Amino acid sequence: GAGVSQSPSNKVTEKGKDVELRCDPISGHTALYWYRQSLGQGLEFLIYFQGNSAPDKSGLPSDRFSAERTGGSVSTLTIQRTQQEDSAVYLCASSWSRGRSYEQYFGPGTRLTVT
Amino acid sequence: KNEVEQSPQNLTAQEGEFITINCSYSVGISALHWLQQHPGGGIVSLFMLSSGKKKHGRLIATINIQEKHSSLHITASHPRDSAVYICAVRGGSNYKLTFGKGTLLTVNP
Repeated sequence: GAGVSQSPSNKVTEKGKDVELRCDPISGHTALYWYRQSLGQGLEFLIYFQGNSAPDKSGLPSDRFSAERTGGSVSTLTIQRTQQEDSAVYLCASSWSRGRSYEQYFGPGTRLTVT
Repeated sequence: KNEVEQSPQNLTAQEGEFITINCSYSVGISALHWLQQHPGGGIVSLFMLSSGKKKHGRLIATINIQEKHSSLHITASHPRDSAVYICAVRGGSNYKLTFGKGTLLTVNP
């Protein structure tokens, strides 16, 4: 079946504007993760969903960041009042969460540039 | 100190050489992942392992839980192996990944 998809692939926005990033996980995957890859910073965890619940939001860098997941499927990461330091590649991954098969499958990412 | 340390940061090899990338971690883990990222490309999971050794084609991954160390080996390296290789560990909570900073591998023809 299809892999994890993300949209848009690239987003350029002006400082102060809000942006929404979308993730479509692999069908049937109950766990969904958002990560951020900043230049020179490596990958960092943002938030984890189990179904529609987010038991771990510890990686969200500020209250300008929020995420939701509906129907146990699509997730949206919203960044309000974007700042230049938000420029990064935002990656989504999904996995099963039963048994021992926790292997995460990554999407292609959304490259966000805040000007 | 980062929880996950990779070495080397950069590695240049000639085609055909045997490559080793190392990963050390300081926390208890339930699994370790090796990921590959080509320039401008997405991330692909190469291996997920919690003990012993796994092999896929020319790639071999090993882990020593007692020593908190893993290695990724590439035999008969090829220019198409040029990419960033990232080590990530999953803690006892079984979901959150903590990443190393990656190793940039360049294989010259």
